[in-house]
Amino acid sequence: DAKTTQPTSMDCAEGRAANLPCNHSTISGNEYVYWYRQIHSQGPQYIIHGLKNNETNEMASLIITEDRKSSTLILPHATLRDTAVYYCIVPISNFGNEKLTFGTGTRLTIIP
Amino acid sequence: GAVVSQHPSWVICKSGTSVKIECRSLDFQATTMFWYRQFPKQSLMLMATSNEGSKATYEQGVEKDKFLINHASLTLSTLTVTSAHPEDSSFYICSVRGDPTDTQYFGPGTRLTVL
Repeated sequence: DAKTTQPTSMDCAEGRAANLPCNHSTISGNEYVYWYRQIHSQGPQYIIHGLKNNETNEMASLIITEDRKSSTLILPHATLRDTAVYYCIVPISNFGNEKLTFGTGTRLTIIP
Repeated sequence: GAVVSQHPSWVICKSGTSVKIECRSLDFQATTMFWYRQFPKQSLMLMATSNEGSKATYEQGVEKDKFLINHASLTLSTLTVTSAHPEDSSFYICSVRGDPTDTQYFGPGTRLTVL
C-alpha cells in the first residue's frame, strides 16, 4: 500500500499557478493517484486522478513523473476560493475494494 | 461527479440521546457508501464501509453497536449515533462510489454537537 508525503503548507499569490507536490515513492504499477481538497467545514471535493499519463480537467492539471514516484497538482490561475487543504491519496486496495486514507494534506493559502 | 447530500447539516443533542444522519446519492447509484469522522484540526478518519443490502464493515476501533449503519438502497445510507456523548461531537461525512475502483464523491458533512 503506497503512502504519500506532502508539504504541510504553501502560499500562492492570487492569479498565479499553484503547484502542489506529492511524493508516493512506494506506489505500485496499477495504483492511481487521487487529489481531493477540503474547504473549511465542507466535505472533500474530488479534483482529479491519474495513473501514469498527465491529466487535465476544468479544475486542474496533474503531472505524474515517469517513474510515478511523485506528482504535482497544478491550479493554473489560483483564486481566493482555492484556499483549502489539498490531499494527495493513493487508495488502499483490499481484495479489490479501494479505500481512501487521508493524511494531513497541504494547506494552500491564496494571497490577495 | 455524483451529487451527495447529507441531512441534517448540523445537529445539537443532549448526552444519552441517539442521532440519525442521512446520506443520499442524488444522481448516482451508490453500490458502496463510506462514513468518515473528522475531529477539529484533524484529518478525515474512515469509520465504516457499507455495501447496499449488506452489513457494514467497520474500521478497527469503531464500535459497531454505537455507530449503526444502514444502507438499504442504492441512494440512501444512514448513520445512527446511539447514546451519544460529548466525545462523539465531530464532523461526520459520507461518500459514495459505484464500482470498487471508481472515484469516491463526498457529501457536505454533518456537524454533531453533543451537550
